[in-house]
Amino acid sequence: QSALTQPRSVSGSPGQSVTISCTGTSSDVGGYNYVSWYQQHPGKAPKLMIYDVSKRPSGVPDRFSGSKSGNTASLTISGLQADDEADYYCCSFAGRYTHVFGTGTKVTVL
Amino acid sequence: EVQLVESGGALVQPGGSLRLSCAASGFTFSSYSMNWVRQAPGEGLEWVSYIRDSSITIYYADSVKGRFTISRDDAKNSLYLQMNSLRVEDTAVYYCVRESSQPFDYWGQGTLVTVSS
Repeated sequence: QSALTQPRSVSGSPGQSVTISCTGTSSDVGGYNYVSWYQQHPGKAPKLMIYDVSKRPSGVPDRFSGSKSGNTASLTISGLQADDEADYYCCSFAGRYTHVFGTGTKVTVL
Repeated sequence: EVQLVESGGALVQPGGSLRLSCAASGFTFSSYSMNWVRQAPGEGLEWVSYIRDSSITIYYADSVKGRFTISRDDAKNSLYLQMNSLRVEDTAVYYCVRESSQPFDYWGQGTLVTVSS
């Protein structure tokens, strides 16, 4: 159950796009189409942004999109806004009702 | 409105025990699987444990297996985490998290567990 690998930080100017990668193995990311992404503002609980690789829960802007290729999943934030500045975590199903989270990425809006 | 409210966090010595509770409201608790997820200070998220609706299936992360026990009382709309043989590395905010067709769709505000002498 090793954590999935994410870049420590990414940044972009308002209106730009940023992409966060999430690398796992064939036992988690590569083995299932059950990757989700969470946004966490300081001092707050995480919020579900993407599930099943690319689906958005109701209320999440379509500026947020997800994809997967092999053992690597990605979250793209388009039209970056000030409120998008937060920590982002990927998560993958890892078999037998277990899950593994990513190391987390801090998104900075310049 | 879905609400999950954790309680029971405290300062405890290494080797000690603690029981966390999570009170659920705003949805039919008995119909949903639940999880505990924790976050050490300044660190990332770590999945801890899962319990299916009606408690048929239970799973734990290797890091807590044999020391933590998850349970639920559907009559009280409550989720629990009994933590024994606590270690310094168990220090974290513990979140109660609902699971539906969307994974981890609702989170509580968390309760802080500090393990220190």
